[in-house]
Amino acid sequence: KQEVTQIPAALSVPEGENLVLNCSFTDSAIYNLQWFRQDPGKGLTSLLLIQSSQREQTSGRLNASLDKSSGRSTLYIAASQPGDSATYLCAVNKGTYKYIFGTGTRLKVLA
Amino acid sequence: DAGVTQSPTHLIKTRGQQVTLRCSPKSGHDTVSWYQQALGQGPQFIFQYYEEEERQRGNFPDRFSGHQFPNYSSELNVNALLLGDSALYLCASSLAQGNTEAFFGQGTRLTVV
Repeated sequence: KQEVTQIPAALSVPEGENLVLNCSFTDSAIYNLQWFRQDPGKGLTSLLLIQSSQREQTSGRLNASLDKSSGRSTLYIAASQPGDSATYLCAVNKGTYKYIFGTGTRLKVLA
Repeated sequence: DAGVTQSPTHLIKTRGQQVTLRCSPKSGHDTVSWYQQALGQGPQFIFQYYEEEERQRGNFPDRFSGHQFPNYSSELNVNALLLGDSALYLCASSLAQGNTEAFFGQGTRLTVV
């Protein structure tokens, strides 16, 4: 059974810091992995999608890496800003769009 | 492109009642999945619809049912509501063919009192 874990559960950093969010999964037979952002009480905004054959994806200040063999993905946020404050969720897809989510990392960036 | 739209945004129901939530997928998408997100948790998969049929189902009781229409829009129905059904219900749309992103709506916040 696929399980997804995100560490840390919460993180508070001063503005401008570079930070890394971690996601681990137990079953390496995934199709892709997607990182999402969720603001309080809102839906999910897709940030990055990494296919199983890829090692990393970049979008602006965000970079996501994937090591399928070790069951790990990281989301790197460069030069964090207060507007980055949100919950970040990773989700793995085994090929049928049935996503298994972690419980998220709550990020607070202090001005 | 309107993206994934869900209605209503908020809903308050009484225990024992029935509720219907609605979702219109992103233009061009043919697959709709529903998720339940309790406070402080990650979303949990309820079920998925493709070609108007339930294709996959998560670990949810039969009180949860759904439907997909020919235009790919979908409904989630929950009967005999329990207090524990209070959650954010999210709809995701995707393409059955191809390894592409899933897009989520803004969700419906259901409160059962």
